[in-house]
Amino acid sequence: NAGVMQNPRHLVRRRGQEARLRCSPMKGHSHVYWYRQLPEEGLKFMVYLQKENIIDESGMPKERFSAEFPKEGPSILRIQQVVRGDSAAYFCASSPGAVAAGNEQYFGPGTRLTVT
Amino acid sequence: SQQGEEDPQALSIQEGENATMNCSYKTSINNLQWYRQNSGRGLVHLILIRSNEREKHSGRLRVTLDTSKKSSSLLITASRAADTASYFCATDRFRGGADGLTFGKGTHLIIQP
Repeated sequence: NAGVMQNPRHLVRRRGQEARLRCSPMKGHSHVYWYRQLPEEGLKFMVYLQKENIIDESGMPKERFSAEFPKEGPSILRIQQVVRGDSAAYFCASSPGAVAAGNEQYFGPGTRLTVT
Repeated sequence: SQQGEEDPQALSIQEGENATMNCSYKTSINNLQWYRQNSGRGLVHLILIRSNEREKHSGRLRVTLDTSKKSSSLLITASRAADTASYFCATDRFRGGADGLTFGKGTHLIIQP
């Protein structure tokens, strides 16, 4: 059973370009979470999705950021018109059920976004 | 505001010694989890302790939880060089349908051979 897959592992974008980050959850997991980590910081929650639904996006900036988890295919985190401050490591995690119910989250290796 | 706060921010000990890291949080929780992150890598789940539990063991790891003080500790016994990593505590965000984890800034642990 493959773990959570993220691609690309490293992504370099110029200011103003779009960044697309992909996450394939573990088989059988319907809950997906995206987190952002700045250097020397902990992870900050961005968005929580279940298949085809955004459940909680309270941690995501209101502009330029969007996320989806379609019925088929990976979850996508999309950042439009990137700025230098978007440079960070973006982690995806999946779980078979809600964290609050005691389910473990499994993390992917992350995508390191660098905006030049 | 930061839900989980680890203490100390950095810790350097000799191999074989025990390492203790603490975590404090602000709001009520259903469970608290500890994760390890090696430099530049993803997070590895270490242990989950539920709000009705006081202590939990897993191999060389011992976690305690004091909900009255809103604090937890992670003890690594007989440390090894391979334990060098950053350690994060995380609490569940479950309020009004929200889910996911709130992480602290972490404790950077260095085990010197």
